[in-house]
Amino acid sequence: SQTIHQWPATLVQPVGSPLSLECTVEGTSNPNLYWYRQAAGRGLQLLFYSVGIGQISSEVPQNLSASRPQDRQFILSSKKLLLSDSGFYLCAWRSQGARGEKLFFGSGTQLSVL
Amino acid sequence: SQQGEEDPQALSIQEGENATMNCSYKTSINNLQWYRQNSGRGLVHLILIRSNEREKHSGRLRVTLDTSKKSSSLLITASRAADTASYFCATVEGAQKLVFGQGTRLTINP
Repeated sequence: SQTIHQWPATLVQPVGSPLSLECTVEGTSNPNLYWYRQAAGRGLQLLFYSVGIGQISSEVPQNLSASRPQDRQFILSSKKLLLSDSGFYLCAWRSQGARGEKLFFGSGTQLSVL
Repeated sequence: SQQGEEDPQALSIQEGENATMNCSYKTSINNLQWYRQNSGRGLVHLILIRSNEREKHSGRLRVTLDTSKKSSSLLITASRAADTASYFCATVEGAQKLVFGQGTRLTINP
């Protein structure tokens, strides 16, 4: 069966520090991968998605970047965090092709930038 | 971009009552999906309804879709305290992007 791992669960970082959040998927190959951010009590904002290794689509110009160095690994990074980067970050995957319609989410990372 | 918009933003009902949440969207769709999120957790897929379907059932869930009005509704019957969560609709933009609404926060009071 497929599983998605996202870590860490919580993170407190000072303004100006770097960030690296990692997400890995097991039990499937060539998934579409997604990073979303959620402000408290709000909906999900799509940040990045990837349809293959090294292929990254950015949805929102911002202080963040994403990379996909391996088929089932998706990394969210920042060189210098801003206060506005605080939020709940969710990684998700779905299968490619017509069968891959629903998203499977990780458990999320609560990031607080102080 | 914001494709789906849920209504109401918050809903509080007594256990055993039915809960209805609505979603409106803007562009043509192939399908519309509903997800559930418990506080501080990831989202879980509940049900998918295709554009050529008008109604779909799954257990205590009933979803309707009206493509002429670009709207969908999620009905939870005989609500339970464990149904307390946020519920989101999602649609696909282009071929790859799932875009979510702001969600409805549902509270079931015992």
